[in-house]
Amino acid sequence: VHLVQSGAEVKKPGSSVTVSCKTSGDTSISDALSWVRQAPGHGLEWMGGVVPIFGTPHYAQKFQGRVTITTDGSASATYMELTSLTSEDTAVYYCGSAHSYCSGGACRIDFWGQGTVVTVSS
Amino acid sequence: QSALTQPASVSGSPGQSITISCTGTSNDIGSLNYVSWYQQHPGKVPKLIIFEVTNRPSGISSRFSASKSGDTASLTISGLQTEDEADYYCASYTLSSTLVFGGGTKLTVL
Repeated sequence: VHLVQSGAEVKKPGSSVTVSCKTSGDTSISDALSWVRQAPGHGLEWMGGVVPIFGTPHYAQKFQGRVTITTDGSASATYMELTSLTSEDTAVYYCGSAHSYCSGGACRIDFWGQGTVVTVSS
Repeated sequence: QSALTQPASVSGSPGQSITISCTGTSNDIGSLNYVSWYQQHPGKVPKLIIFEVTNRPSGISSRFSASKSGDTASLTISGLQTEDEADYYCASYTLSSTLVFGGGTKLTVL
């Protein structure tokens, strides 16, 4: 499985960003797709995920109301929109997938995209 | 959902074994067998090294092993090698159908 993400973004505070992730190879509608971010010098932070066969995304409480994760109806593409950006959102954003899901959600990440740098600055 | 708790750093000499702990709650590690571990070298993409508490993906060295007891999971690396120097993250599925990571542990091979 190969995941390719969209390019780096520079955004103003208060704006929104959408990062895309295209998957190829051995993909399935039952794959679990996740979005994870990593701020400079910090650890990994799961933002949310979706299993296309179920369709309902799950979000980390921290990002509820500010993040939207969608797919193209299959596991071929997933998108992450984050709104009301602040400098605290400056990070590398990763998409990931797994050939397994747990009770409708993403419970691990087998394959990772290359990462997309999002910089929020006035 | 709070992050899982890991030690900030551990160290060991080549050939030695080290263990990294990962403490959660009854909402995650304590109730579910969906703990995974990831290795991340500086500037690189994370890599899955353990899934479902004890399982290694194809291609991962048998020097990596893991276990769980109660609310705490553990990763053991035996026969330490210089290339094992990296950051290690645990993660667990939760009863809320979300995934939560630990804060990460920096492994230094002296």
